[in-house]
Amino acid sequence: EVQLVESGGGLVQPGGSLRLSCTASGFAFRRYWMSWVRQAPGKGLQWVANINQDGSEQFYADSAKGRFTISRDNAKKSLSLQMNVLRADDTAVFYCASFDWSYKGGAFDIWGQGTMVTVSS
Amino acid sequence: DIVMTQSPVSLAVSLGERATISCRSSHSVLYSSNNLNYLAWYQQRPGQPPKLLIYWASTRESGVPDRFSGSGSGADFTLTISGLQAEDVAVYYCQQYFSTPYTFGQGTKLDIK
Repeated sequence: EVQLVESGGGLVQPGGSLRLSCTASGFAFRRYWMSWVRQAPGKGLQWVANINQDGSEQFYADSAKGRFTISRDNAKKSLSLQMNVLRADDTAVFYCASFDWSYKGGAFDIWGQGTMVTVSS
Repeated sequence: DIVMTQSPVSLAVSLGERATISCRSSHSVLYSSNNLNYLAWYQQRPGQPPKLLIYWASTRESGVPDRFSGSGSGADFTLTISGLQAEDVAVYYCQQYFSTPYTFGQGTKLDIK
């Protein structure tokens, strides 16, 4: 079964840090670009970051630049998002998602169930 | 950044009727060298992650019913659901992947009338 499973969410104080993880199964993880997309409670979708197949290129939303770091380990079929200096407006469900650029462009065809991050004192 | 604007924000359609959702981008997402529109549509049911419906503006994802269709080019796009079914109640999003930051429309909430 094709699957992405996120973990690592939780409650953190403003200014704190959190590391999210995503584990892939059922598909050729090393062939895919990987991303994080978030959704604040009751709001729409916001792209956070992309990483290419070998991890050599990363792209970030302005809101994530300098605070978040996306990384991957192809041997472990895992994706991570290190989040520092968290703010209240980072509160959201964070989804791990993937896309096959050569086939569907940047259309996210595999999504995890999401992990909730709450930033509050 | 490319701003994606969807309309309407919400709509209610009777079962079996047609639903039409519009998406407009602030910049063309048509790449002239390959004549492809870098646009996708997603469905998000309550409590679920988004599900890809359409990519390249009009290519239906595998397993998506053929009542879902995408059309348009450049900066104006449409998602059409023909013959609305109860399970189509959801929020629908368009997304451009022409350039980073990838951006989504604000969403259109579809209900049954």
